[in-house]
Amino acid sequence: QLQLQESGPGLVKPSETLSLTCTVSGGSISSSSYYWGWIRQPPGKGLEWIGNIYYSGSTYYNPSLKSRVTISVDTSKNQFSLRLSSVTAADTAVYYCARRLGLPGGFDYWGQGTLVTVSS
Amino acid sequence: QTVVTQEPSFSVSPGGTVTLTCGLSSDSVSTSYYASWYQLTPGQAPRTLIYSTNTRSSGVPDRFSGSILGNKAALTITGAQADDESDYYCVLYMGSGISIFGGGTKLTVL
Repeated sequence: QLQLQESGPGLVKPSETLSLTCTVSGGSISSSSYYWGWIRQPPGKGLEWIGNIYYSGSTYYNPSLKSRVTISVDTSKNQFSLRLSSVTAADTAVYYCARRLGLPGGFDYWGQGTLVTVSS
Repeated sequence: QTVVTQEPSFSVSPGGTVTLTCGLSSDSVSTSYYASWYQLTPGQAPRTLIYSTNTRSSGVPDRFSGSILGNKAALTITGAQADDESDYYCVLYMGSGISIFGGGTKLTVL
């Protein structure tokens, strides 16, 4: 059974960089069939797609976040990571990692999510 | 800017049928948008219901079905149950690697 688990600091100061890692177990992140993605949900708001990465390192980002987002992959550790720079309170959210069934496909496996709060 | 539209809220009676829709502010939704649907319940990981417009995710009962209705993607729930009361989100693939989530529909079963 595939499992994804987000990890990282739960509190980040304004203007700093948010960093999260998603560890994949029960399957290989290097499978050619899947992409890997980050999605977030601010408190009381809807879901927002952040970006996707392929095991080769190809990335696709939400245009509204593109200038601040970097997603990377470490196939040796079966992990992929999110970095979001210059954070503000508006970046406070539950962050989810997920597996995607190809680039146009849906997300089929999700992590439990991790709350990141931006506050001084 | 493209907006993916969903009904903010909907209610259904236990045992009833409800159809939630997912539209585009600037175009008709077709199978080319690979609509997928997710159920969010507080404190739980999102649950994938439907992907590629009408393919049911593993383990999802056939009470849930996806389709194109008119110019929108649709999620139909038949035989609604109390634990179907959740928030439902659609996402559309816009091409060039870009995806957009709808604003979500809060479904009440009463």
